Amino acid sequence: GAVVSQHPSWVICKSGTSVKIECRSLDFQATTMFWYRQFPKQSLMLMATSNEGSKATYEQGVEKDKFLINHASLTLSTLTVTSAHPEDSSFYICSARGPILDIQYFGAGTRLSVL
Amino acid sequence: AQSVTQPDIHITVSEGASLELRCNYSYGATPYLFWYVQSPGQGLQLLLKYFSGDTLVQGIKGFEAEFKRSQSSFNLRKPSVHWSDAAEYFCAVGALADDKIIFGKGTRLHILP
Repeated sequence: GAVVSQHPSWVICKSGTSVKIECRSLDFQATTMFWYRQFPKQSLMLMATSNEGSKATYEQGVEKDKFLINHASLTLSTLTVTSAHPEDSSFYICSARGPILDIQYFGAGTRLSVL
Repeated sequence: AQSVTQPDIHITVSEGASLELRCNYSYGATPYLFWYVQSPGQGLQLLLKYFSGDTLVQGIKGFEAEFKRSQSSFNLRKPSVHWSDAAEYFCAVGALADDKIIFGKGTRLHILP
């Protein structure tokens, strides 16, 4: 089946530093990838939609300058949390629109802890 | 407004008992419906999906769900739960013309031995 790999699975950083999270589709090409944020015991909130070769589309209320998304190839999208602060601590999950229309395949998530 | 409601935040059932998780949606277009499962600290795994056709869909791990348009519901069922089914379950809705998927708040399933 379609596999999405997300790396790292857990990252701890100091306040003010930037963190990059990678999302890869391992066995299929994904023209569209999605980035979600999940707070403890909450649902997934869509942050942005990433299309290969074009600028990401951010949801209302998401700071595009803080959460930089790059989708440079058909198998890789990255999310960079710039100048991270403790309130950015969360579980970030990516997904890729798979070879079967309208099914999203999810990565295992990245837990970000900002000290 | 488009929304997904999972009315039960927590559900506890005994191992071997039957299970039903409720999901109601509000969607303007013909919906595509999904159930995902999330184990602690993990990503989401697709259990099953409904796009069209037979309203009773079978998924992985012995789960099934029934689409009832008149009730705007897509409830998830399993005849006999196993301890390994303890997890968070998310109902979600989307549309062919729109890549976005809207998730419900989730139902946490607890299994009693």
